[in-house]
Amino acid sequence: NAGVTQTPKFQVLKTGQSMTLQCAQDMNHEYMSWYRQDPGMGLRLIHYSVGAGITDQGEVPNGYNVSRSTTEDFPLRLLSAAPSQTSVYFCASSYRRTGAYNEQFFGPGTRLTVL
Amino acid sequence: QQQVKQSPQSLIVQKGGISIINCAYENTAFDYFPWYQQFPGKGPALLIAIRPDVSEKKEGRFTISFNKSAKQFSLHIMDSQPGDSATYFCAASITPYNFNKFYFGSGTKLNVKP
Repeated sequence: NAGVTQTPKFQVLKTGQSMTLQCAQDMNHEYMSWYRQDPGMGLRLIHYSVGAGITDQGEVPNGYNVSRSTTEDFPLRLLSAAPSQTSVYFCASSYRRTGAYNEQFFGPGTRLTVL
Repeated sequence: QQQVKQSPQSLIVQKGGISIINCAYENTAFDYFPWYQQFPGKGPALLIAIRPDVSEKKEGRFTISFNKSAKQFSLHIMDSQPGDSATYFCAASITPYNFNKFYFGSGTKLNVKP
């Protein structure tokens, strides 16, 4: 198993450009989520999905879009990048166990710089 | 406004010493408290977790102490080793019906000196 994979590892954008951060998992996890990590802020939830076709907003969703057409993939789209979106982005996945606590498996991250 | 407050921001410990990282929360609905370990260039990985029906959980050299009345929990690393040097995040979550949203602390960078 490759686990959770993310591409690209690094990306530099100019203000106003768009791009998609890719995330894939091969563990057949129902739950997937996107976090951003900023110095002194920990990880903050951007968007999440509880299954194919179902997504919802987290703490900091503005400026980001997601969709989930398959169980394996959960891309994060930046429609018009802003310097405030400079961050390290992590994708995570976990099983769905109603009423239980599921270990989240994190990808290696994408470091994004917006100039 | 961060729902989980973590301290210290950084910590230097000699090899063999005890590392202690503290977290506090306000939302009494939180009922699952994991700790994550993150090495440079890697994603966070679950280290140990506790539920508030116990006051302590130990796994090897890592122990979580939980004080429900004070709304505080802490991570203790006994016999700290240079390989423990990493950033540690505490987190809190509410029993999920559908999806467990985690709220993370700001992180503690631990450096264990040889």
